[in-house]
Amino acid sequence: DTEVTQTPKHLVMGMTNKKSLKCEQHMGHRAMYWYKQKAKKPPELMFVYSYEKLSINESVPSRFSPECPNSSLLNLHLHALQPEDSALYLCASSQERWGSTDTQYFGPGTRLTVL
Amino acid sequence: AQKITQTQPGMFVQEKEAVTLDCTYDTSDPSYGLFWYKQPSSGEMIFLIYQGSYDQQNATEGRYSLNFQKARKSANLVISASQLGDSAMYFCAMREYGGATNKLIFGTGTLLAVQP
Repeated sequence: DTEVTQTPKHLVMGMTNKKSLKCEQHMGHRAMYWYKQKAKKPPELMFVYSYEKLSINESVPSRFSPECPNSSLLNLHLHALQPEDSALYLCASSQERWGSTDTQYFGPGTRLTVL
Repeated sequence: AQKITQTQPGMFVQEKEAVTLDCTYDTSDPSYGLFWYKQPSSGEMIFLIYQGSYDQQNATEGRYSLNFQKARKSANLVISASQLGDSAMYFCAMREYGGATNKLIFGTGTLLAVQP
């Protein structure tokens, strides 16, 4: 059983909608991640939060807006998306340990379709 | 240059047989970690096994083992006694510890099909 949960599992939205993806981890991890994955491709890192602060933004368009309300929760706010933003969005978390195994554990993902 | 290379886009294996999924990597950082993830069609990325660059022994986790050849920069995943539930995409990934980031660099993946 995964200890990283994501809601919703599926989301269909229009280009003018505003929606949010939610992620919660129950492992006491201090780093959380958002990835975007297109079909048959590896995941692409979007954002990293470390100790609730944004530490990496991989030049993601501003129509994606991350938020980390606390160390267990991570949101991704979506606004004015394009059809090419349709993808699987994966959340992950890790302990944030340096110089050692810092395994990222992933949630089940949200399949987003933008019409 | 690609840092993680998985040269097998797809593979077939008979149930109960062993299979090796190839992964080569490129880094100048002496301190790094190598990971394998399994992604079934449902989408979740499942962590399988980890190998650190300074680990003396090859990592094993149940039916999964990692054939780590540091000089050749390869970290192949071996799945013993394949099961139908092993059918999935498998990603090799690397994390370099020399930088100030905690990014995982993924390979392009290998799609494994286990046949009855």
